[in-house]
Amino acid sequence: AQRVTQPEKLLSVFKGAPVELKCNYSYSGSPELFWYVQYSRQRLQLLLRHISRESIKGFTADLNKGETSFHLKKPFAQEEDSAMYYCALRAEGNTPLVFGKGTRLSVIA
Amino acid sequence: NAGVTQTPKFQVLKTGQSMTLQCAQDMNHEYMSWYRQDPGMGLRLIHYSVGAGITDQGEVPNGYNVSRSTTEDFPLRLLSAAPSQTSVYFCASSPGLLYEQYFGPGTRLTVT
Repeated sequence: AQRVTQPEKLLSVFKGAPVELKCNYSYSGSPELFWYVQYSRQRLQLLLRHISRESIKGFTADLNKGETSFHLKKPFAQEEDSAMYYCALRAEGNTPLVFGKGTRLSVIA
Repeated sequence: NAGVTQTPKFQVLKTGQSMTLQCAQDMNHEYMSWYRQDPGMGLRLIHYSVGAGITDQGEVPNGYNVSRSTTEDFPLRLLSAAPSQTSVYFCASSPGLLYEQYFGPGTRLTVT
């Protein structure tokens, strides 16, 4: 069965510092990877997906099949980036999303 | 267009009580799902539905029942609540399994 691992429960960085939220997965096929974000008092929402290869709010993520990783990166953290971030995987075929346990990002002014 | 709505926002139950968490969407989405969110455990899938009349179990289905009689509604039933079911419950919908999921605001349930 597929699994998503986010090794950090909490990540604290200073404003303006680079951010990397780690996500590793276990799945033998070709997965689809996502990052979802939950800001304080807001709904969980999609941040980005690997197939779109776009940058959202300055965040990027590259799927590395060799390392089975999909780390989320931003060169300069902003206070408004403070939120809970979830990495999610969808296996091939009609299967539901599997989420990691999440990483809480705290950006300190 | 309200998106995904959930009621109630908060609920306190006693052990053994039953209740139904409501979820509705007005986007004509075929796929709907229920997750529970617990500290340190992330989001875990309880049940999901790929269309009216079709439901399937997720990772943690025990203690929960669902039905999908219409495209719009996907209620989650707790037949006999237990303290282990204290959690925040999220409903989500999407046009299909391969699309972005849209989440509701959540229901915070406490079982004493």
